[in-house]
This record gives sequence, C-alpha cells and structure tokens, in this order.
Amino acid sequence: GQNIDQPTEMTATEGAIVQINCTYQTSGFNGLFWYQQHAGEAPTFLSYNVLDGLEEKGRFSSFLSRSKGYSYLLLKELQMKDSASYLCAAYGGATNKLIFGTGTLLAVQP
Amino acid sequence: KAGVTQTPRYLIKTRGQQVTLSCSPISGHRSVSWYQQTPGQGLQFLFEYFSETQRNKGNFPGRFSGRQFSNSRSEMNVSTLELGDSALYLCASSLFGQSTDTQYFGPGTRLTVL
Repeated sequence: GQNIDQPTEMTATEGAIVQINCTYQTSGFNGLFWYQQHAGEAPTFLSYNVLDGLEEKGRFSSFLSRSKGYSYLLLKELQMKDSASYLCAAYGGATNKLIFGTGTLLAVQP
Repeated sequence: KAGVTQTPRYLIKTRGQQVTLSCSPISGHRSVSWYQQTPGQGLQFLFEYFSETQRNKGNFPGRFSGRQFSNSRSEMNVSTLELGDSALYLCASSLFGQSTDTQYFGPGTRLTVL
C-alpha cells in the first residue's frame, strides 16, 4: 500500500529554523513534492525531489533519502506569513498518482 | 498566464441532490486531477483526466464521476449527495500529468451538504 506520515502540528518562533519531516511508503516511487497551504486557500507548490539530496530554494530547502523513505522541508528565517499547513506528497504506486499526507500545521509565533 | 479556476467557489446542497463542479486548467495543460480535502483525511485523490480520458481513479464510490472536454476543461459530478461529501474539492492541472510535472491547484469549491 501507500502511506505518508508527517506530524500534525508544529510551533516555531519568528526568525528561527524549523524542519518538517515526512516518511513515505509507496511502490514505484517517482518523486516527492512539498506544498504550502494557507487557511482557506489552494495548495501552492514549494519543491520537488526525485534524487537523493538537498534542494535549496531561498529560505526553503527540501531533502530526500529514497533508501529511507524520508524527506524533510527546512524553513529558515521564519516569518509570520509562513504560518500554514505544509503538505508532503509522494508520486508512485501501481497507478502512479500523487498521494498526499494529511499535512503539518505550522504556527509561527512572535 | 491565468491560473486554475474553479466554479462555483461555494455551494450548499441537501442530501440526495446532485452537484456539478467545474475546473478550467492553466492554458496548455492537458491533465486535470480532482481531490477531496477534509480536515481528518487530508487530500484524497478522486480521478485524473488527460485528453478527455479518465486515466487514473481513486477509491471513491461510483457516485463521483467526471469528464474532460476537448479544451481540457473538466467537470466532476457527485450524485445522491451524502452529509459526508461536505468538503473542499480541489482540481489541479499539469502539462501531461507525469510524475515530473508540477500540479497547480485551483482555489477549490467548498461544498456543504445539509
């Protein structure tokens, strides 16, 4: 089967660094996406990893280890506007579709 | 380039009714996927259409159906509505629906079933 696990909630302080972990189990893995979703809004694309290693994009970085079925999203220099839900999604499975985790709700406090 | 649009944005229906939701993808995108989002379950995949054909389907009952038109616009229909169908329905478009293609989401249609 396919399964995505990520923490339900996290809290961090403005200006700090936070790491959101995601573990996945899927056959035929074809890549991992991170999306950001503010309350009442559509998910927006943050990053994509298909090979092992770190992808950096400004304040956001994403890491993938295919052998461990593990990814994380690293947010640096946190801002209040980063308060949102962060969705981990793995592409794969017998029918090759995008499977989402339930999301991690990040609250950034002053 | 205009983003993914969905209509209507909000909908209130009663049990037993049916509903049709519409999605217009980003220009040039040929793949449209539909998701149901609820607080407890997160985003659940409904189906994916490419070139007017349903290419992939999630684990939802047959009351959920969809179609895609030649201009890549897509509709989804839910018949015999149940209270549990209350959710945010999101559509996402991508170029070809391949694993390397980023999916871009519309704002969603919030359906409330009373």
